[in-house]
Amino acid sequence: GAVVSQHPSWVICKSGTSVKIECRSLDFQATTMFWYRQFPKQSLMLMATSNEGSKATYEQGVEKDKFLINHASLTLSTLTVTSAHPEDSSFYICSAGRANGNQPQHFGDGTRLSIL
Amino acid sequence: QQPVQSPQAVILREGEDAVINCSSSKALYSVHWYRQKHGEAPVFLMILLKGGEQKGHEKISASFNEKKQQSSLYLTASQLSYSGTYFCGTEFPGGTSYGKLTFGQGTILTVHP
Repeated sequence: GAVVSQHPSWVICKSGTSVKIECRSLDFQATTMFWYRQFPKQSLMLMATSNEGSKATYEQGVEKDKFLINHASLTLSTLTVTSAHPEDSSFYICSAGRANGNQPQHFGDGTRLSIL
Repeated sequence: QQPVQSPQAVILREGEDAVINCSSSKALYSVHWYRQKHGEAPVFLMILLKGGEQKGHEKISASFNEKKQQSSLYLTASQLSYSGTYFCGTEFPGGTSYGKLTFGQGTILTVHP
């Protein structure tokens, strides 16, 4: 099946630090990638949709300037949490989909972010 | 717009069956089912695209009732490995929703020996 690689697996850093998370599709070209955030014992909440070569589309309530998304190639999307604070601590997961519809999303392994 | 899953949690003995339901208040284009183990990313189980469609993989199957805007996941003769949280992800028709999934709140399934 499709493989999506996400790095790093976990990050612990001080408040005010910016953190970059990478999401790569290893065996197919992903024109669309999705970024989710998941708090403990809760569902996956979509943060933004990232399309290759264009600006990301953010969900209502998600701060664009805080969560910077770049999708420069068909295999790589990055999420940068700028000036992170303890309330940004969460499990961040990316997923990748193919250009044609009706295809499943394949998830990366997730990044556990802890801000001290 | 978040689909509603029921039940919220279910406890089974190995070999027992379970049904997890996913209902939407809006018309659906497709329904995706995933299983997530603690601390891990969700793993794709199956996708249902057409009303009335049923799919199965080994002892896990699902159905999609387009009219009722709901889907059900059936787990037969459960195994210990089936334990985890099951999420349905719904895709709504419409250009801006293309490929975008809205996940239910999850159903925690625990299988005991």
